[in-house]
Amino acid sequence: AQKVTQAQTEISVVEKEDVTLDCVYETRDTTYYLFWYKQPPSGELVFLIRRNSFDEQNEISGRYSWNFQKSTSSFNFTITASQVVDSAVYFCALSVGGSQGNLIFGKGTKLSVKP
Amino acid sequence: DGGITQSPKYLFRKEGQNVTLSCEQNLNHDAMYWYRQDPGQGLRLIYYSQIVNDFQKGDIAEGYSVSREKKESFPLTVTSAQKNPTAFYLCASSNRATNEKLFFGSGTQLSVL
Repeated sequence: AQKVTQAQTEISVVEKEDVTLDCVYETRDTTYYLFWYKQPPSGELVFLIRRNSFDEQNEISGRYSWNFQKSTSSFNFTITASQVVDSAVYFCALSVGGSQGNLIFGKGTKLSVKP
Repeated sequence: DGGITQSPKYLFRKEGQNVTLSCEQNLNHDAMYWYRQDPGQGLRLIYYSQIVNDFQKGDIAEGYSVSREKKESFPLTVTSAQKNPTAFYLCASSNRATNEKLFFGSGTQLSVL
């Protein structure tokens, strides 16, 4: 069975702090995809990144970076120098190779960035 | 601008009533999905469709129905058989049904009167 665990329910930081959101996944498949989505207060989920199981390279996009480690089944997300606009719920999700579009979502981490 | 439009933003249902949530996309995507989100929970798949006139049940399809008569439209009906319909409903679409990123609408909050 597949599962995604985001152990941090809520995180509160002060602007300009760095923050890491944890994501641990479970699957027996060798081919899978991992995603991060952002859900701002408006409600619409916004895609941030997709990573396949054969690519363990870390990725950086501006203030965002992702650390994928198959050895620990983790796909953590770090925001550097956080800003108030980063306040949102962040979801990690898993898709097994060949699946019919069924993303398995974690329960999300609510990030509050205070000025 | 291309995107997904959900309407209405807020919807109220009376006991025993069926209600329909609208989802329209102009991204020319083949696949469309309906997810349900409960407070503090992740998203759970209700139904998905890969092509017109075809759809598949997701993890929590009981009490819901869908249709896909047009590529652009994928309405969701919450029937009276759904005993706990209060939730935030999100529609999404993607280029293909397999492992592609999803584009989401802004959601519909359904509440029971």
